[in-house]
Amino acid sequence: EPEVTQTPSHQVTQMGQEVILRCVPISNHLYFYWYRQILGQKVEFLVSFYNNEISEKSEIFDDQFSVERPDGSNFTLKIRSTKLEDSAMYFCASSPSTVGISYTFGSGTRLTVV
Amino acid sequence: EDQVTQSPEALRLQEGESSSLNCSYTVSGLRGLFWYRQDPGKGPEFLFTLYSAGEEKEKERLKATLTKKESFLHITAPKPEDSATYLCASPPEGGATNKLIFGTGTLLAVQP
Repeated sequence: EPEVTQTPSHQVTQMGQEVILRCVPISNHLYFYWYRQILGQKVEFLVSFYNNEISEKSEIFDDQFSVERPDGSNFTLKIRSTKLEDSAMYFCASSPSTVGISYTFGSGTRLTVV
Repeated sequence: EDQVTQSPEALRLQEGESSSLNCSYTVSGLRGLFWYRQDPGKGPEFLFTLYSAGEEKEKERLKATLTKKESFLHITAPKPEDSATYLCASPPEGGATNKLIFGTGTLLAVQP
């Protein structure tokens, strides 16, 4: 069964450093997403991406964050100048069309900022 | 504000003891009510999508139902491997968005 692959599974970084979280969505999917889940809290939407541009972003997704699809397979989330409160699980997801057909989520990257 | 609220927060069952999880939503013009299973340290795994009141879907020991204000996830004769957090989610009102609003989840523990 096709799956969304995320790397690394766990990243530890110093506060103020930049991190790049990587995702390989399902190959025939057109919509890509990043969500995050702070420990013990809800899964929260960060950003959606379609046709090589951001289609929607949340209030959380400020200038510290950026997304990119550098080639035909990868989808990345960059966090500049990380803060302690950025520590969370970050989930990538993809879907073949609009939300009427549900997403497939990856297993996540656990980001720990120290 | 569009909201998805789940109850109970946690549920402990004995193996074989059937029960139901609740998800209430305040989204107008529902464009789908989604149920996911989440294992510790993993991403949400899709279970069901329901679109209209009265709709029901089943998968093994799970059955999801939908009314105009809430959805139930019924678990029949659960086994320890059904232990997980069950999440429900819905798109907010408005046709232009693809994002999902998640509830806080119900942590289900099934004891042998």
